[in-house]
Amino acid sequence: EAQVTQNPRYLITVTGKKLTVTCSQNMNHEYMSWYRQDPGLGLRQIYYSMNVEVTDKGDVPEGYKVSRKEKRNFPLILESPSPNQTSLYFCASRWGRDAYGYTFGSGTRLTVV
Amino acid sequence: GQQVMQIPQYQHVQEGEDFTTYCNSSTTLSNIQWYKQRPGGHPVFLIQLVKSGEVKKQKRLTFQFGEAKKNSSLHITATQTTDVGTYFCAGPTGTASKLTFGTGTRLQVTL
Repeated sequence: EAQVTQNPRYLITVTGKKLTVTCSQNMNHEYMSWYRQDPGLGLRQIYYSMNVEVTDKGDVPEGYKVSRKEKRNFPLILESPSPNQTSLYFCASRWGRDAYGYTFGSGTRLTVV
Repeated sequence: GQQVMQIPQYQHVQEGEDFTTYCNSSTTLSNIQWYKQRPGGHPVFLIQLVKSGEVKKQKRLTFQFGEAKKNSSLHITATQTTDVGTYFCAGPTGTASKLTFGTGTRLQVTL
């Protein structure tokens, strides 16, 4: 089944403890992206990648890192999480051609205490 | 930076009534996409519009892209309870991979 898989689905962590949210897609998509969703603010893009080793900042990149060493994986790294990073995170992927939208993962609900 | 706004933020309709959400961009868009997110779910791609003035239909859903390619609308005819969710528009800002989402319109449908 074509899908974007994120792990974990839920995570509660403490301030300052490094964490990684994994994202993997099995559709050979070139583009991948991370979004965070907060009430009243919609979906905001954190980072995106147009191919292996090609990444760029979205609208809210502060406090996050990403890497794209393989085409299928695009992990999101929080080196020192803070409470304001408590949010619902979505990974998404798509073809490079314009005709297709993003396929989203099921989301990771992160709570930083 | 580029902004994509949607109105209304929330709409509550009775089943069978029509619904429309509007999307406005501060700049011209090369294309516009629409997504639906059910409560507790993830966004699901519905459609993409590319041409100025383009109109596309999916059953009871009608999508329109403005002539100036700065606005778009989604109209649902005769809503059903299965239409409940939040509808987002999204447009590319900068590269094709950088996609800015609108603030979303939450639709509630009651019997």
